[in-house]
Amino acid sequence: GENVEQHPSTLSVQEGDSAVIKCTYSDSASNYFPWYKQELGKRPQLIIDIRSNVGEKKDQRIAVTLNKTAKHFSLHITETQPEDSAVYFCAASMAYNTDKLIFGTGTRLQVFP
Amino acid sequence: DTAVSQTPKYLVTQMGNDKSIKCEQNLGHDTMYWYKQDSKKFLKIMFSYNNKELIINETVPNRFSPKSPDKAHLNLHINSLELGDSAVYFCASSQTRGEQFFGPGTRLTVL
Repeated sequence: GENVEQHPSTLSVQEGDSAVIKCTYSDSASNYFPWYKQELGKRPQLIIDIRSNVGEKKDQRIAVTLNKTAKHFSLHITETQPEDSAVYFCAASMAYNTDKLIFGTGTRLQVFP
Repeated sequence: DTAVSQTPKYLVTQMGNDKSIKCEQNLGHDTMYWYKQDSKKFLKIMFSYNNKELIINETVPNRFSPKSPDKAHLNLHINSLELGDSAVYFCASSQTRGEQFFGPGTRLTVL
């Protein structure tokens, strides 16, 4: 069935270190992969997304890489700051309906000063 | 200006009651969604509407009924509330195949 696995479930880093969150999807025809950040008690907000026609996308300290062959995609945050602390969700679209997103189980990132 | 708004923000009710959550978007998007986020933070799509037409209807008990009076509004009515319905319900909207913008969420607690 449709599935997106996300690891790790929790991640603690020192301020200034890098953080990497990995996701694997099951539908080989998925073509849209957004990442959402959800701060405590707030709504999920899109931070970066990638479509299947590119392998990497970067926006300042955040980058996403996509390996279509392996059905993996990853979020990379460099020079982490305490305000990066949140729950991060990956998602993958379904091929038959690209508006249908299947979300990963979330990664709680804590950045310690 | 609030892009996607929901009311109420909190809803506390007894088992067996019927309740509604309302959602409105002022982004001009043509697709709207309802998601459920449970206590473990799992985020799962329930329904989506495109221009008032039901597009996604996941395996959700038929006690849940979405209604879209126009493309800027999507409401969720829940009959005969059960303990397991306690969760945060998020509305979202997007242009077709575009970024999904989430509302602030409605925390439903069933006692």
